[in-house]
Formats: sequence, C-alpha cells, structure tokens
Amino acid sequence: AQSVAQPEDQVNVAEGNPLTVKCTYSVSGNPYLFWYVQYPNRGLQFLLKYITGDNLVKGSYGFEAEFNKSQTSFHLKKPSALVSDSALYFCAVRDLAGSYQLTFGKGTKLSVIP
Amino acid sequence: ETGVTQTPRHLVMGMTNKKSLKCEQHLGHNAMYWYKQSAKKPLELMFVYNFKEQTENNSVPSRFSPECPNSSHLFLHLHTLQPEDSALYLCASSQKEGDSYEQYFGPGTRLTVT
Repeated sequence: AQSVAQPEDQVNVAEGNPLTVKCTYSVSGNPYLFWYVQYPNRGLQFLLKYITGDNLVKGSYGFEAEFNKSQTSFHLKKPSALVSDSALYFCAVRDLAGSYQLTFGKGTKLSVIP
Repeated sequence: ETGVTQTPRHLVMGMTNKKSLKCEQHLGHNAMYWYKQSAKKPLELMFVYNFKEQTENNSVPSRFSPECPNSSHLFLHLHTLQPEDSALYLCASSQKEGDSYEQYFGPGTRLTVT
C-alpha cells in the first residue's frame, strides 16, 4: 500500500528566509510524486511533480522539490519565502506498481511572518 | 482556477434533505474525481470517473450517489446525510486517470449538515 507522511502540521518562517516543507513516502514500486497548495477557501493548486529524470524538480511560484530515493523523501523548498506563500501544502504519491489513486498527506500549514 | 467550477460554494442542509453538488471542467479532460476534505485529515478519494465510466468507489456510503453524464460534468447527489458528513467536497479532473497526470481542482463546496 502506498502512503505519504508530512511530519509537520505547521511550519513558520520569516519572510525572505528559505523554506522547507517535508514529505516522505512509502510505495512498493516507483513513485510519482506531487505537491499541491491550497489557499483559504480555494481548491488545491498543482505546484510540481516528479515522474522520472532529474531529482530536482522546479515548479510554479519559485518552488522546487528534491526527490531522494534512498531517504524516500520529496521535500518542497523555496530559497526566499514570501508572505503570500502562506497556505496549506499537500504532498501526494502514486505507486506505479499499485493503484491509480493519488494518496495525499494530511497537509502542512506554512506561515510566512513579515 | 476557472478550469474547474463547482456549485454551490456553500450548502447547509438538514439530515432529511436531498441536494446535489455540481462540478464542471473546461479543460478537455477525461477523468473526474470527488474528494472529501475534513479538518486535520488527508483528502479522501470518494469516486473516480474515467471516460464517463465509474472506476473507483472507495467504500462510500450509499447516501452519496455520483453521476457523470459526460466528461465535462460530474454531480454528487446527497440524501439523508449525517452531521459527520459536513466537510469541504472537492471536485478534480485530469487528462486521464492515473499515470503522471496531475489533477486540477475546483474551489469546493462547503457542506454543513444540521
């Protein structure tokens, strides 16, 4: 069975500082990995995905994520946080050897402090 | 975000009411999804339609009844709901089910069952 964990319910970071939102996964085959962001009263917006190839994936709004197979992690990063980055972030995984379903983490609330 | 629309945005209903949620996607996708989002819990996949055929039903109670008349429209019919069904219901679409395709989400319907 596939699963994903976001170990932090909340991450606080000062504006201008680098940010990291952590995600680890468990699959039996190879993973497809996704990050989504949810702003208040909105649906989820796709940020980036890892399918294959370069372990460093660049996405929307200056976000990037690094796939680390040995640590089964896919942490989301941004070099310089903006107040407007404050939102709920979800990591999701699909196991290529398993079901077509996406499994989402519980989400991490990111607060960027001015 | 106008690619996937949902109506109504807010709904309050009693346990004996019957109501329907509507989702429409303008992206030319062939797969559509219903998710339930409750506070502090991962997104729960409820139903999947791929090319208008239901391919997933994740043990959802029969008081939730989906309908997909075409690839652009998805409905969720509700009847005799329970207070614990109060949640944000999200619709999503993707090019096809599974594989590397990311999902695009609507803004959700905030449902309150009284």
